[in-house]
Amino acid sequence: GNSVTQMEGPVTLSEEAFLTINCTYTATGYPSLFWYVQYPGEGLQLLLKATKADDKGSNKGFEATYRKETTSFHLEKGSVQVSDSAVYFCALSGSGGSYIPTFGRGTSLIVHP
Amino acid sequence: DTAVSQTPKYLVTQMGNDKSIKCEQNLGHDTMYWYKQDSKKFLKIMFSYNNKELIINETVPNRFSPKSPDKAHLNLHINSLELGDSAVYFCASSQPLGQGGDEQFFGPGTRLTVL
Repeated sequence: GNSVTQMEGPVTLSEEAFLTINCTYTATGYPSLFWYVQYPGEGLQLLLKATKADDKGSNKGFEATYRKETTSFHLEKGSVQVSDSAVYFCALSGSGGSYIPTFGRGTSLIVHP
Repeated sequence: DTAVSQTPKYLVTQMGNDKSIKCEQNLGHDTMYWYKQDSKKFLKIMFSYNNKELIINETVPNRFSPKSPDKAHLNLHINSLELGDSAVYFCASSQPLGQGGDEQFFGPGTRLTVL
């Protein structure tokens, strides 16, 4: 079956540091890949997505590139802010004829001033 | 102009009670979902409806029963609540699966506490 593996958190950084949150997946075919963000006390919201190999999704300074050869979709940001503190979820859908979404376990990011 | 709304936001109740959570979306989507998020933030899909028809039913106790009166609403009824049901429940919607329906739109969540 499909699966998504994210690095365990929490990830703790100082403001303006570089962020990487690793995400790898197992799936058949060519799934769509997503990063969702959950701010404290809120629901998840889409941060960025990529629908085919080598696509780069980007939003709010965050980027992730769909790497088919390494089955990865790592999230990066060059300079984090305190307001980026949240839980980040990697997800996929559309694999092997199944559109049941598969989420990773989430990675908590804490950014200190 | 809330896209996906849930009520109530907080629900505190005793073991053994029956409770319902309501969800409404105004995005015109055909597909709606219920997710359960535990204290470690792990997100598990419970049910999905497409145009009022059940299409995903993961391994969930029979005490949980979804109901979709129309495609804009998906309610969750829980019978005989147990301590382990304490969690945050999220409703979500999307375009139909397999028709570009990949992005999920989530509600703000309902925090259920069973005492």
